[in-house]
Amino acid sequence: SQQGEEDPQALSIQEGENATMNCSYKTSINNLQWYRQNSGRGLVHLILIRSNEREKHSGRLRVTLDTSKKSSSLLITASRAADTASYFCATDANSGYALNFGKGTSLLVTP
Amino acid sequence: SAVISQKPSRDICQRGTSLTIQCQVDSQVTMMFWYRQQPGQSLTLIATANQGSEATYESGFVIDKFPISRPNLTFSTLTVSNMSPEDSSIYLCSVAESLSYEQYFGPGTRLTVT
Repeated sequence: SQQGEEDPQALSIQEGENATMNCSYKTSINNLQWYRQNSGRGLVHLILIRSNEREKHSGRLRVTLDTSKKSSSLLITASRAADTASYFCATDANSGYALNFGKGTSLLVTP
Repeated sequence: SAVISQKPSRDICQRGTSLTIQCQVDSQVTMMFWYRQQPGQSLTLIATANQGSEATYESGFVIDKFPISRPNLTFSTLTVSNMSPEDSSIYLCSVAESLSYEQYFGPGTRLTVT
């Protein structure tokens, strides 16, 4: 079953702007991971944040996690046209490694 | 991270036939999974592929429809049996790092059933 819900479903911005996507989930987690998918291809792993972490950075990506609100956000700074893709959050329930995916946010970055 | 390949990358199959998808990893991994992504949808876990034993299926997926093999720690197959147009999806295998929990995906197999 899908645990995560991304918000917004679609986002359109111009190059250079920042893009923020949110993810909410329902049950306790060990970790939350963010992925990117370009045009129905395979998923690219972006970042994993553990339940005891509040913020994590990787290049132009910043991920936050608020376990009290059961939510996470992905910020892409200084966006580029190449960032155009669908972004998914995925959680692993306390039971193990298997992931529950949200519905995803479709990001369009225009030049 | 592990490098994962899948074969075939895409296929068009006729109703009632079966297709076997292969997943090869360049290193030994403990945890391997199969997911399905229906058109315009998110990913849904089909099963966990267990090495040397029967796969563990999620609710709504059964072994007769999606038999899985995992003969060793670097290889797995998923068969989509007796296909119908509703099986048209992208099928992805993934592996999880046992210590970091990071999960990596193969490039996917795009299946169209006519």
